[in-house]
This record gives sequence, C-alpha cells and structure tokens, in this order.
Amino acid sequence: GAVVSQHPSRVICKSGTSVKIECRSLDFQATTMFWYRQFPKQSLMLMATSNEGSKATYEQGVEKDKFLINHASLTLSTLTVTSAHPEDSSFYICSAALIQGGGYTFGSGTRLTVV
Amino acid sequence: GQNIDQPTEMTATEGAIVQINCTYQTSGFNGLFWYQQHAGEAPTFLSYNVLDGLEEKGRFSSFLSRSKGYSYLLLKELQMKDSASYLCAVRPPNDYKLSFGAGTTVTVRA
Repeated sequence: GAVVSQHPSRVICKSGTSVKIECRSLDFQATTMFWYRQFPKQSLMLMATSNEGSKATYEQGVEKDKFLINHASLTLSTLTVTSAHPEDSSFYICSAALIQGGGYTFGSGTRLTVV
Repeated sequence: GQNIDQPTEMTATEGAIVQINCTYQTSGFNGLFWYQQHAGEAPTFLSYNVLDGLEEKGRFSSFLSRSKGYSYLLLKELQMKDSASYLCAVRPPNDYKLSFGAGTTVTVRA
C-alpha cells in the first residue's frame, strides 16, 4: 500500500534554531501533502497544505515565515520550523491524499522538543 | 465552517462493546473517516463512509446518517490493544482537506 516515510521521528533542538522534517512518499506520487500539529491530548490541527510545484496554503493563524513548507517533487515534502521556541514543541504529522481511492496515508510523526 | 463533536473519553471492559458517536455540522460533506491513534503514533485508517448505512469490518463497524449529520464507530469484542484515541474526520466537497474532531480516548479495562 501507499507509504509515507517521515523523518526524524524525534528531535530535540535548542531555542532559536531551525528544524527540518521530511516526508517522502515511497511507492506513489504525492501531489498534495497535509501538515498537522498535535498537542498532547488534542486532535490534529491542520497547519498547511502543500502542492507539488506551488506555494503552500496555510491555515489561519499559522505563520508561513515560521513554518516553511517545500514540496519540490512528487515524492518529497518538507516542513522547516524556523527560530524554534519551546511553545513549538509538539507532534508534527504529514499526510498524503491518495487520489485513487480517496483515502489518506499518514507519516509516522515527528516529536519535536525545543529546549 | 466545520464543527465536529465526539465524546472526550469512554471506558469499557475487555470483551464488551463500545459505541463512539460523532456529530458534524459542516459546510458540505463528501465522506467521513474514522481513525485510530495510539499515543505518540500516527493515525491509522479504520473506516470510510460516504453513503448512509452501516459498514462492517471485522470487529469494527461504522454507521453514517447524512440527514442527521451523525456517525458512530462500533467496537466489538474489545481487546486491551483497542485502548487508543479514535478520531472522526469529515471531508468537504471539492477539497481533500480533512477536519478532525477532538478525538475520543477509549480505555479498555480487564
């Protein structure tokens, strides 16, 4: 089946630094990738939608200059958290829409801790 | 906009049945998904309903009534490994964005 590989699974970074999270579609082409953030005991909150070859669409309240999304190819989308702060500590998950079948496949998630 | 409601927590005994309700008020509808999520892991797909009625998949079943904006996920013969969060998500028409409910944490006790 369709698999999205997400790396890293865990990352600890210092406040003020940047962290890049990668999501790769292994056996299909992901035209559209969704990026979610999930705080403890809360649901998934959509941050942005990335489309291959075009600018990402950000949800209201999400700073596009802080959360940089790049979807340069049909198999790779990246989220870079710039100038990270402790409040950015969260679980970040990517998800690809499967055009055929109408379902979605999720990456395994990245636990980001900013110290 | 999207408004999706589901209970916060449910507790049940091993071997029992639990029904998780989800009500939605959304601007358009093009399918409802149920996902299971264990702590610290990504969601895994359980079911998809786009037409009214019951979809059965082994121990899990999902029901949809579009006129009532209502769905439920039925978990039968509960096992300890079913302890997880269950997320209801709705897809609008002409868009692939999903809107998620807050999730229902199910705790299965021996």
